[in-house]
Amino acid sequence: QKEVEQNSGPLSVPEGAIASLNCTYSDRGSQSFFWYRQYSGKSPELIMFIYSNGDKEDGRFTAQLNKASQYVSLLIRDSQPSDSATYLCAVQEYGNKLVFGAGTILRVKS
Amino acid sequence: GAVVSQHPSWVICKSGTSVKIECRSLDFQATTMFWYRQFPKQSLMLMATSNEGSKATYEQGVEKDKFLINHASLTLSTLTVTSAHPEDSSFYICSARITGIQPQHFGDGTRLSIL
Repeated sequence: QKEVEQNSGPLSVPEGAIASLNCTYSDRGSQSFFWYRQYSGKSPELIMFIYSNGDKEDGRFTAQLNKASQYVSLLIRDSQPSDSATYLCAVQEYGNKLVFGAGTILRVKS
Repeated sequence: GAVVSQHPSWVICKSGTSVKIECRSLDFQATTMFWYRQFPKQSLMLMATSNEGSKATYEQGVEKDKFLINHASLTLSTLTVTSAHPEDSSFYICSARITGIQPQHFGDGTRLSIL
C-alpha cells in the first residue's frame, strides 16, 4: 500500500512568518512530487512540483525534496491570510495515478 | 496555461435522474484524465482513470455501470452518474494530465445534490 503522510494540523502561523509543511512517502519508486492548495469548497490548485533532489523556488514558495529520506516539504515565506487553506502533498510514479496525503490545514493569523 | 474546464458547476436533481458532467482541457491535449469524488471534510478519492480512446480504469469499489466515463478526444472526458440517488451527492472533480510525469490540473468541480 503506497502511503503519503502529512500532519493534519491545523498549523497556525502569524502573518509574515514562514510556514513549513511536511510530507513523507512510502514508495521509493515515486518520481514526481506535487503540492496542491485547496480552499474550502473548491477544487485543488497546483502550487509547486518537483522531480529532483534539492530545492525549487517559485515566488514565496519553496519545495524541498529528499528522496533518500523520502521527504518532501513546502515552505511559504511571508505568509498571508489568503494562504490559509488545506495543502495536499501528492506523489506519483511515472504514468501512474497520484497518491494524496490527507492534507495539512494552514491558518495564517493577521 | 493548463486550464481545465468542468461543467456544470452545480447540479440539483431528483432521485433516479442521470447526470452528465463534462471535463475539457482548454489549452492542452490531455493523454489522461481522472475523476475524483470528495465528501465534506474528507480527502479526494480517485474514482477512475481514463485514456483517450480506451476504456476507463475504475478504482476498487467504484461501480463502472453506475459511473460511466467516456474519453472520446484528447480534450474531452465525460462522467455520467446513472440513476443517481441521494448517496451519490458529492463534489465531483476532474483532472487532466499531458504526459505521465507532468502535474494533474484540476477542474473547478461539480457539486451534485440528489433530492
